[in-house]
Amino acid sequence: AQSVSQHNHHVILSEAASLELGCNYSYGGTVNLFWYVQYPGQHLQLLLKYFSGDPLVKGIKGFEAEFIKSKFSFNLRKPSVQWSDTAEYFCAVNSRRDSGAGSYQLTFGKGTKLSVIP
Amino acid sequence: DGGITQSPKYLFRKEGQNVTLSCEQNLNHDAMYWYRQDPGQGLRLIYYSQIVNDFQKGDIAEGYSVSREKKESFPLTVTSAQKNPTAFYLCASSLYPGTGEIELGTEAFFGQGTRLTVV
Repeated sequence: AQSVSQHNHHVILSEAASLELGCNYSYGGTVNLFWYVQYPGQHLQLLLKYFSGDPLVKGIKGFEAEFIKSKFSFNLRKPSVQWSDTAEYFCAVNSRRDSGAGSYQLTFGKGTKLSVIP
Repeated sequence: DGGITQSPKYLFRKEGQNVTLSCEQNLNHDAMYWYRQDPGQGLRLIYYSQIVNDFQKGDIAEGYSVSREKKESFPLTVTSAQKNPTAFYLCASSLYPGTGEIELGTEAFFGQGTRLTVV
């Protein structure tokens, strides 16, 4: 079965520090990759996505992520975090399920809580 | 505005009772999903449906049931067989990429969630 691993459960940074959140997935075939963010009390929102093409993708609010196929990784980065980036971040992978052609599954990691200290 | 509407936002259930969570979307998406979110466990897939009148079990389907009679609606019933139903439930929808390789955008859009508490 497909799996998504996020390396850090909770990350605490000071404002202006650089951020990198790790994400690795297990599926070897074609994938779509996503980072979602959940601000306190709000619903999940798409931060950025990778479908094909340039492996360095830029999202909203200054976030970017790099797809490294050989490492099955899709790490999220931001050069300088702000207090408003405090949220929970989820990596997700859309891939073909083990059973049945045309059957897809969107699998999420367990999430990483980011706390930014002013 | 297009989007996904989940209702109610908060739901309380007595032990032994079934309860149904509503999810409606007006995005004309083919695929709909139900996830359960627990602290430290991320989102776990309960059920998903890629077309009307068809649905598949996810990773934690036991104690849950769904129906997909209309494209816009994908209600989730939490039955009394679910041992630990207190959780935050999220509904999502996306375009169905079809039977070929994933090429189309399959970004999922999420509802605001329903927090279910068993009392």
